[in-house]
Amino acid sequence: RKEVEQDPGPFNVPEGATVAFNCTYSNSASQSFFWYRQDCRKEPKLLMSVYSSGNEDGRFTAQLNRASQYISLLIRDSKLSDSATYLCVVHHQGGKLIFGQGTELSVKP
Amino acid sequence: EAGVVQSPRYKIIEKKQPVAFWCNPISGHNTLYWYRQNLGQGPELLIRYENEEAVDDSQLPKDRFSAERLKGVDSTLKIQPAELGDSAVYLCASSFSDTYQETQYFGPGTRLLVL
Repeated sequence: RKEVEQDPGPFNVPEGATVAFNCTYSNSASQSFFWYRQDCRKEPKLLMSVYSSGNEDGRFTAQLNRASQYISLLIRDSKLSDSATYLCVVHHQGGKLIFGQGTELSVKP
Repeated sequence: EAGVVQSPRYKIIEKKQPVAFWCNPISGHNTLYWYRQNLGQGPELLIRYENEEAVDDSQLPKDRFSAERLKGVDSTLKIQPAELGDSAVYLCASSFSDTYQETQYFGPGTRLLVL
């Protein structure tokens, strides 16, 4: 079993749709959590951190459930520019980032 | 401010040949990481440096891979000899420190194809 597992993609949605990505992690000692975005043939870039209380950044909402070891990302009112691969990332003590395999999102006109 | 710089961006070699990748982290970042990303997968850590010290190289295949970070700034990752399975994108990242609050910034990567 992988340490970080994400919904298999791809997700194909129309513009304006709401889409949710799910992620589970296996190490209960994980300290911090992130969503990264990776455009095709580009490097991963931090989208947002995920806090226990949940956090929102514009159209993006991230949730963390430590008891269930579950992380989610909700994108409202999808834009064409949201098309990318979304990587769930867990930070272990000492700086090691563990990435999920990514979920590809394609937003269509 | 300049981001993480990597070179070359692309490399095609025949199997059994050596290859080297270079990374220049963001100025002032003490921690440097090398990741490998296979197609359809997330990046996987190969080695992490704190200044010039390799503090986590548990995932580095030491029979053919080596890395160095002389003077605690630039770093090189070498593969000798390369195998077909080494075809991947090699990403360098840096952060100010290795604490969990610090964001890691990635370079554009080196796309390696081994024929």
